[in-house]
Amino acid sequence: DIVMTQSPDSLAVSLGERATINCKSSQSVLYSSNNKNCLAWYQQKPGQPPKLLIYWASTRESGVPDRFSGSGSGTDFSLTISSLQAEDVAVYYCQQYYGIPYTFGQGTKLEIK
Amino acid sequence: QITLKESGPTLVKPTQTLTLTCTFSGFSLSTSGVGVGWIRQPPGKALQWLALIFWDDDKRYSPSLKSRLTITKDTSKNQVVLTMTNMDPVDTATYYCAHRHGVSPFSYWGQGTLVTVSS
Repeated sequence: DIVMTQSPDSLAVSLGERATINCKSSQSVLYSSNNKNCLAWYQQKPGQPPKLLIYWASTRESGVPDRFSGSGSGTDFSLTISSLQAEDVAVYYCQQYYGIPYTFGQGTKLEIK
Repeated sequence: QITLKESGPTLVKPTQTLTLTCTFSGFSLSTSGVGVGWIRQPPGKALQWLALIFWDDDKRYSPSLKSRLTITKDTSKNQVVLTMTNMDPVDTATYYCAHRHGVSPFSYWGQGTLVTVSS
């Protein structure tokens, strides 16, 4: 199995400040057919299902605000929120969709400082 | 507009078999590249992928749960069914079904259904 490890487990950031969440995969998730990484980021608010934010490591899903951005390659990836808004309080998960079983990180809880 | 909705029992007893149904709309599970998966989340814990069925009836399972899971589809009813045998209290979780198309993550999710395993 590809193990996904997120850091930190929790994060408190002031409104308007930058928040960065990291995700490390235990092996490469590079899809050779398009040379892109099979890495997604989800946002989950209490009582709601996960919402897809980013796929192919850096492509924003339609309708996702541009303050959310994804980066990274190989085995190291990041999700950055450029200017934290109150509605961004949530748990964030990374997921690899390169190999079966699809695996998720343990989650990072983002709060307002 | 793609929607998915999970249904099934909210309470099952240990050793029983759980049967969950995902009823969807806005896409066809006979379209090339389409898949419907199941993911669960124990209270306060992380997401765990369980199973995935593809448009061509290819099926994939989590290796750690493979012996207990069966996923099937009924294309005419727009439904996917997941059965999990020998339920245990540690299987208490919210169970989600979700849509994917091609090499992609899960773009659309149902609201989830909480299943509690208790005697």
